Amino acid sequence: GQSLEQPSEVTAVEGAIVQINCTYQTSGFYGLSWYQQHDGGAPTFLSYNALDGLEETGRFSSFLSRSDSYGYLLLQELQMKDSASYFCAVRDHYNTDKLIFGTGTRLQVFP
Amino acid sequence: EAGVAQSPRYKIIEKRQSVAFWCNPISGHATLYWYQQILGQGPKLLIQFQNNGVVDDSQLPKDRFSAERLKGVDSTLKIQPAKLEDSAVYLCASSSQGGYGYTFGSGTRLTVV
Repeated sequence: GQSLEQPSEVTAVEGAIVQINCTYQTSGFYGLSWYQQHDGGAPTFLSYNALDGLEETGRFSSFLSRSDSYGYLLLQELQMKDSASYFCAVRDHYNTDKLIFGTGTRLQVFP
Repeated sequence: EAGVAQSPRYKIIEKRQSVAFWCNPISGHATLYWYQQILGQGPKLLIQFQNNGVVDDSQLPKDRFSAERLKGVDSTLKIQPAKLEDSAVYLCASSSQGGYGYTFGSGTRLTVV
């Protein structure tokens, strides 16, 4: 079976740094993606890690450890507009176009 | 470039009725996906097309759901008959060959009463 675990909710204040963790158990693994979804909106692609290590894109960074089946999304200099749900998603090894999504983490940023 | 287009945006139907959703992917994207997202959960893949062929429909409830992508471009997803538990947002996404990021449409929010 395949499962991805994320915290259900995280809260933080503007300007702070927050880390959203994702652990996965999959029969095959090809890479880990992160998506952001505002209420009522479409998921939008944030980042992708195929290899171990840190990928940085502006205020957002994503990390992967394949040996630990673990990754995280790091959001820095939080802004109110970052309040959204964040999903990690595993690319399936046997069908590399297929994404399996986690249950999502709701981030609330307070002033 | 234009995004992934979906219609309708919202739909309310009674149980046992039928409903259809339409999706037009980004031009040139060979792979098209239909996902179901129940409130508070992550998207779940229903069906994946590569051009007009089905790659994965292992989680599509085939007794009531059907989908087609006849000309390898736009696609329709149908539910017949609908059940209360089908209430969800139906998201269409597309991706290019070898690409690792999906582009999602805004989705269709279905309410079955």
